Amino acid sequence: EAQVTQNPRYLITVTGKKLTVTCSQNMNHEYMSWYRQDPGLGLRQIYYSMNVEVTDKGDVPEGYKVSRKEKRNFPLILESPSPNQTSLYFCASSFGVDSPLHFGNGTRLTVT
Amino acid sequence: GNSVTQMEGPVTLSEEAFLTINCTYTATGYPSLFWYVQYPGEGLQLLLKATKADDKGSNKGFEATYRKETTSFHLEKGSVQVSDSAVYFCVLKEGNKLVFGAGTILRVKS
Repeated sequence: EAQVTQNPRYLITVTGKKLTVTCSQNMNHEYMSWYRQDPGLGLRQIYYSMNVEVTDKGDVPEGYKVSRKEKRNFPLILESPSPNQTSLYFCASSFGVDSPLHFGNGTRLTVT
Repeated sequence: GNSVTQMEGPVTLSEEAFLTINCTYTATGYPSLFWYVQYPGEGLQLLLKATKADDKGSNKGFEATYRKETTSFHLEKGSVQVSDSAVYFCVLKEGNKLVFGAGTILRVKS
């Protein structure tokens, strides 16, 4: 089944403790991206990747890192999480930026 | 910079009512426009798209027309169903970036 898989679905952590949210797609998509969803703000793009080893900042990249060492994986790294990073995070992928995005089911992160 | 403005919700309608969700945008060039839908507990799914002025996107009874003169991309459906209850996002693409509206919650009562 074609899908975008994010893990974990729920994560509660403390300020400053490094964490990684994984994202994997099995559709051979070149384009992958991360978003955070906050009430009243919609989705804001954190980082995106046009292909392996090619990443670029979205609108809200501060406090996040990504890597794209293989085509199928695009992990989101929070080196030192802070409470303002409490949010719902979505990973998405597509064949290209003009193609429909396929979204994962989301990761709800709480930083205390 | 580019931005998308959607009407605030929630929008509450009775089954079979007519739906309009307004969306206007600002962009420096000629963006592509999309509507995505998010059902409870799920990620977003593409509903429809339009890539140039006067294009009409349509899917599942929903329609939206790309109006360059009014910089709008309003979503319409002639007769909503309870199963249409979801959050709807208007999205702009310019270059390699996507800009999402804040989302509009639609609630349809039977």
